[in-house]
Amino acid sequence: NAGVTQTPKFQVLKTGQSMTLQCAQDMNHEYMSWYRQDPGMGLRLIHYSVGAGITDQGEVPNGYNVSRSTTEDFPLRLLSAAPSQTSVYFCASSYALAGGTSTDTQYFGPGTRLTVL
Amino acid sequence: DAKTTQPPSMDCAEGRAANLPCNHSTISGNEYVYWYRQIHSQGPQYIIHGLKNNETNEMASLIITEDRKSSTLILPHATLRDTAVYYCIVIGGTSYGKLTFGQGTILTVHP
Repeated sequence: NAGVTQTPKFQVLKTGQSMTLQCAQDMNHEYMSWYRQDPGMGLRLIHYSVGAGITDQGEVPNGYNVSRSTTEDFPLRLLSAAPSQTSVYFCASSYALAGGTSTDTQYFGPGTRLTVL
Repeated sequence: DAKTTQPPSMDCAEGRAANLPCNHSTISGNEYVYWYRQIHSQGPQYIIHGLKNNETNEMASLIITEDRKSSTLILPHATLRDTAVYYCIVIGGTSYGKLTFGQGTILTVHP
């Protein structure tokens, strides 16, 4: 298994540009999430998904869109990049435990380092 | 999910045990204690989790107090590669795969 993969590893954007950060997992996990981590800070949840076709907002969703058309993929779209979105973005996935509301161990990707000028 | 409190930083000598505390005094009966770590610039990595009993795996041991209001992660023989930020996270029955990360503890292992 490749686990959780993210592309690109690095990206530089100009203010106002849009782009999509890719995330894929090959473990057939139901749950997938996107986090951002600003320098010296902990991770903050942007959006999450409990299955194909189902997404919801996390703590800091503004300026980002997500969709989940397949179990494997969970792309994150920046609609109009701003310097405040300069950060490291991590994608994660996990199984749903029995009952479907809680989760087992989460697996994180290597991250995408985004700079917005 | 219950809030956690961890010391901002700790030091440990290589080869010695590292004991990282976490306070979660508002934990409820169906909430688990999870530990993750993040080595510089990498994605967080799962270490161990527990409900009420002490747990051990190949990476670490987790000691949870009887009242479940605090726990300690033990790295029995710390190495330089264990230098990382360690996060204690309480996850309940309705987490839906969401983790709430605090500031964590920066563990520095020195020679």
